[in-house]
Amino acid sequence: GESVGLHLPTLSVQEGDNSIINCAYSNSASDYFIWYKQESGKGPQFIIDIRSNMDKRQGQRVTVLLNKTVKHLSLQIAATQPGDSAVYFCAETGMDSSYKLIFGSGTRLLVRP
Amino acid sequence: EAQVTQNPRYLITVTGKKLTVTCSQNMNHEYMSWYRQDPGLGLRQIYYSMNVEVTDKGDVPEGYKVSRKEKRNFPLILESPSPNQTSLYFCASSSSIAGLRGEQYFGPGTRLTVT
Repeated sequence: GESVGLHLPTLSVQEGDNSIINCAYSNSASDYFIWYKQESGKGPQFIIDIRSNMDKRQGQRVTVLLNKTVKHLSLQIAATQPGDSAVYFCAETGMDSSYKLIFGSGTRLLVRP
Repeated sequence: EAQVTQNPRYLITVTGKKLTVTCSQNMNHEYMSWYRQDPGLGLRQIYYSMNVEVTDKGDVPEGYKVSRKEKRNFPLILESPSPNQTSLYFCASSSSIAGLRGEQYFGPGTRLTVT
């Protein structure tokens, strides 16, 4: 399969622990944010999104937190599983950027058994 | 099965030889987009299309062309490929007219090497 060979920041967690992946976004006018998961050899996969009028949104085992004051986004994964091992990207967009989707550089999550 | 397909998956070519990477989706999505992924740079948007015959530049459009003659297809054209276009390319589609207010589905990727 395809691998990108990225030199990424890496987060290593024990299986069953919670994971927190952070992202600083660049444009204060961005109003929509998305987290993607990319497994080795695959394209990015949507995990969860959040609009700028919210500061928290929960999905199944995942929570996204948005702090617009410091332009910070985080993804929390509860009870991390081996299948969560992947590269995680945040992305931002908004009217100001003509809806172009701008991705962060990504964080590699490694889950130790 | 709902999916985005890309062809070819792997391509090695020489500088200046025109090539096309095809992208097709079977979900009747209005919005389609092309990205390239490079080490340390994440994914960068090349071109996107809000609907048939409506395309616009992303962040890195230089050296690329696209067309959207049919809703399901969004080919990426490199008229005169250069080595700096060696990359991993992804096509994506979304149901949202706004383009990014809905979940984007990504294809499996095309690894292009230009020598």
